[in-house]
Amino acid sequence: DAGITQSPRHKVTETGTPVTLRCHQTENHRYMYWYRQDPGHGLRLIHYSYGVKDTDKGEVSDGYSVSRSKTEDFLLTLESATSSQTSVYFCASQRGLEKYEQFFGPGTRLTVL
Amino acid sequence: QKEVEQNSGPLSVPEGAIASLNCTYSDRGSQSFFWYRQYSGKSPELIMFIYSNGDKEDGRFTAQLNKASQYVSLLIRDSQPSDSATYLCAVNRRNYQLIWGAGTKLIIKP
Repeated sequence: DAGITQSPRHKVTETGTPVTLRCHQTENHRYMYWYRQDPGHGLRLIHYSYGVKDTDKGEVSDGYSVSRSKTEDFLLTLESATSSQTSVYFCASQRGLEKYEQFFGPGTRLTVL
Repeated sequence: QKEVEQNSGPLSVPEGAIASLNCTYSDRGSQSFFWYRQYSGKSPELIMFIYSNGDKEDGRFTAQLNKASQYVSLLIRDSQPSDSATYLCAVNRRNYQLIWGAGTKLIIKP
């Protein structure tokens, strides 16, 4: 399994505050992804990265931004948290395009009050 | 129509029986298909992938792909209580992305 960690694992914050979630992988995978998972919706892609400083939007990107300054780190920022962003956030990585297998971090449970 | 559809379940199967999970997809250009298992409160774990028509077997798990009918299935033989989980189907899309079904909850009854 890919070595992927996420921090923090749990966070409670208040509406309007900025929040940054971190994803760190040790597999030298080129592609990294941020998903959110909510009941009844499955996994929804927020943003993804196809290389250092190369990122693009997913299907639910409003209110989120990302940065990738190193291969191993992918940051997700909620610019001004809202209650609708209460969710479980998963980071995933993928080696390359020859295969599409993605490996997941343990997740971050975020609660916005 | 969702791009990847799964029956949400729950699917209840007796211990020792075969569990059959199904997934349909809409993009005929998809070439890679994945089954992930997710225990409650945990992250998705890749258990099977298949790239070509036919069957692929790995231990008690068999993935079946039918591109003409645009469905992929997962069979679990000799089901165990530890197989109780939500099973997610994922299909590749262009631009490095996977498209995910909402998952089927499987319950194995002892």
